[in-house]
Order: sequence, then structure tokens, then C-alpha cells
Amino acid sequence: SAVISQKPSRDICQRGTSLTIQCQVDSQVTMMFWYRQQPGQSLTLIATANQGSEATYESGFVIDKFPISRPNLTFSTLTVSNMSPEDSSIYLCSVDSGRWHEQFFGPGTRLTVL
Amino acid sequence: GENVEQHPSTLSVQEGDSAVIKCTYSDSASNYFPWYKQELGKRPQLIIDIRSNVGEKKDQRIAVTLNKTAKHFSLHITETQPEDSAVYFCAASSTGTASKLTFGTGTRLQVTL
Repeated sequence: SAVISQKPSRDICQRGTSLTIQCQVDSQVTMMFWYRQQPGQSLTLIATANQGSEATYESGFVIDKFPISRPNLTFSTLTVSNMSPEDSSIYLCSVDSGRWHEQFFGPGTRLTVL
Repeated sequence: GENVEQHPSTLSVQEGDSAVIKCTYSDSASNYFPWYKQELGKRPQLIIDIRSNVGEKKDQRIAVTLNKTAKHFSLHITETQPEDSAVYFCAASSTGTASKLTFGTGTRLQVTL
């Protein structure tokens, strides 16, 4: 499976600021996704990062709050904007393997907003 | 949209016993059902999956069954070991919708000695 890395692995931020999370894959993938996992909870899809076009957001998530870039087939960024303590979560990117649509996750970014 | 329910939320078994986790889904178009294991502080790891053209799949001590009519699928772990202790998530997707995964709420499995 693809090797997926995320940066930063963790961060502590002040409310009102923004943080950009990077996701890098060691091979070209068609589909990349961003998920949020709140403490002790399940995973919720934020958006599908589309290469060359705007991301597709799920209900409850908007571009102004979570802008996403996908400049090529190996890289994507998620920005968490104007953060509040409620944004404290683990943010994970995932990639679709393409062959049978298996999804593999990056190591996650643990965000704490004070 | 898809809704996935998962039970139980916690499960404690003795080492060597079997563990069963059950999920139901709502969207009849869903055709791919993966299971993930997440250890504390780690990323979710895909451990087994099943597609709607298959009723059962096994991989050593783990197996998954699917009942399309009833819209439910289950994870079976036999001969449990302490290293099986983790949170397990089921998920469902329709590969016709960009393979978006909808996750269940998770089951915390504890295997005691």
C-alpha cells in the first residue's frame, strides 16, 4: 500500500488562528480524502480532495472553514480556519488505492485549540 | 445518505474466546464494507473487507460476513489475543460515489488474560 505522511503530527494553536495540514503520498493516487476524528469518536468525512478542481464537501463542512488544495496526484492540504476549541480533533487524510477502492490512512494530525 | 450503526460499543472477552461485532447499513447501493482496527494513538488500519458479491471472507483468525438482504455485516475474531485489544470500526461505501466511507461508531474490544 502507499506510504502516506502528514505534517505536522500535532500542534497546539490559539483560537482565531489557522493551521494548514499537509498530506503527502509516495505514489500517484486518484482519490484523496480528509476526515476528522473528535476525541473518543468515530471518523467523519470532511471532504474529497479533487485534483484540479474544487473539493467536494460533506454536509456540515464548508470551504470557508476548511479550504482544501490538491495541486497534484500526490499532495493535498487541509486548512482549519479561524479555529475554536471545538476544532480540537485528529485530522486524517486517506487515499483510495484505486484497485478495489481500499482506503488507507495517514498517521493523523492531532490539533489542540486553546 | 448512508447511515451505519455498530454494536456493541464495548466488548470484553477472555483471551482465547471469540469476539463478534455487528454493523447495519441503510443504503442499498452500498457495495463495499471494510473493517478498521485503531490502536491507541495510531491511525486506523484496514484489516479486512468484503464486497457485495461475496457472503463471507476469512483471513486467518478474522472473518467478515455480509447479509445484503438484511443490510448487515459482522466481524468475527477467533482465538482472541491481548494484541487484538483496540477500537474496531466498520464502514460502508458505494464505489459509485467516489468511494466515500461512512463509519460506524466503533467498538472498543478488550481482551483480558
